[in-house]
Amino acid sequence: SAVISQKPSRDICQRGTSLTIQCQVDSQVTMMFWYRQQPGQSLTLIATANQGSEATYESGFVIDKFPISRPNLTFSTLTVSNMSPEDSSIYLCSVDGGRLDEQYFGPGTRLTVT
Amino acid sequence: GESVGLHLPTLSVQEGDNSIINCAYSNSASDYFIWYKQESGKGPQFIIDIRSNMDKRQGQRVTVLLNKTVKHLSLQIAATQPGDSAVYFCAEKRGNEKLTFGTGTRLTIIP
Repeated sequence: SAVISQKPSRDICQRGTSLTIQCQVDSQVTMMFWYRQQPGQSLTLIATANQGSEATYESGFVIDKFPISRPNLTFSTLTVSNMSPEDSSIYLCSVDGGRLDEQYFGPGTRLTVT
Repeated sequence: GESVGLHLPTLSVQEGDNSIINCAYSNSASDYFIWYKQESGKGPQFIIDIRSNMDKRQGQRVTVLLNKTVKHLSLQIAATQPGDSAVYFCAEKRGNEKLTFGTGTRLTIIP
């Protein structure tokens, strides 16, 4: 399985500011995914990021609020823009396993907006 | 469909006993299923997967059962250990569509 790291692991931010979360994988992967996990809840897909193309956003998520970069096959960033307390969540990076349909997750970034 | 709910189902099991975690999935066309384990403060960890052409798959101390007739998935953990305490999620997908997660079950192992 791929080894995935995320930075920062956690942050406390003021409302109205933006935070960029980095995701680094130890091998080249085709598809990278960004999820949000609100407190006590399950995972919700924000968007799918393929290298060399625009990210594909799920219903309820827009590029202006969650811009994503995917400059190469091992790295991606997710920015949470103009944050409000409702954005307080764990943000998780995930990659396809390259074999069958397996999908692996990073450790997550715990964001608190005050 | 999308998972909802603020309150996770919980399951408490005595250490050494077997545990069974259940999941009802929503899409009868789903052809691939995964179980994940999420410990506190960590990302989901892949445990075991199963395709729709199978009804049972075994791993180390874990078994996944799939009943397509009633759209039900279960994860059996044998001889539970304190390290098995976590939240367990099932996830489903169809073809190249996105992975959809269930609500999750919090498993607590009682020493």
